[in-house]
Amino acid sequence: EPEVTQTPSHQVTQMGQEVILRCVPISNHLYFYWYRQILGQKVEFLVSFYNNEISEKSEIFDDQFSVERPDGSNFTLKIRSTKLEDSAMYFCASSEQRSTDTQYFGPGTRLTVL
Amino acid sequence: GEDVEQSLFLSVREGDSSVINCTYTDSSSTYLYWYKQEPGAGLQLLTYIFSNMDMKQDQRLTVLLNKKDKHLSLRIADTQTGDSAIYFCAEIPFSGGYNKLIFGAGTRLAVHP
Repeated sequence: EPEVTQTPSHQVTQMGQEVILRCVPISNHLYFYWYRQILGQKVEFLVSFYNNEISEKSEIFDDQFSVERPDGSNFTLKIRSTKLEDSAMYFCASSEQRSTDTQYFGPGTRLTVL
Repeated sequence: GEDVEQSLFLSVREGDSSVINCTYTDSSSTYLYWYKQEPGAGLQLLTYIFSNMDMKQDQRLTVLLNKKDKHLSLRIADTQTGDSAIYFCAEIPFSGGYNKLIFGAGTRLAVHP
């Protein structure tokens, strides 16, 4: 069964460093998303992406964040200058069509900012 | 605004039924979802219900939707130790048509012998 994959599973970085989290969505899916879950808190929407541009973004998704689909398979989330409060589990998701709305999630990348 | 509320913890005996409840605020929600998260793992889609349905059954899972009260429940029949996990309720409000999932805080289900 096709699945969303994410790398790395765990990333440790120093405050102020740039990180890139990578995702490979399900191959025939057209919509891509990033969510995050700070330890003990709710899963929060960050951004949705379709047709090579951002469809919607949350207030959390400020200028420090960017997303890209650099090739036909990868979808990346870049945090330019990490802060302690960026420590969280980051989930990538994809869906086939906006109308069906079913999003399939990857296993997540745990980001630890020291 | 958009908000989803769940009770945080549920403990059941193996073989009993579990009922996990959820309330949501956005009456324009189109789809409502249940996701399962096992320790250290991602979010696994369990089931979903479209807002014009009252009930959906899928093997041991039964989803009930009370649209008037904005209440969603997930019943797991014959609960097993492998069902121990965190269960998230989520909605997609119709905010311009984009697929932004709004999650509850999750209900931790503990199944004991």
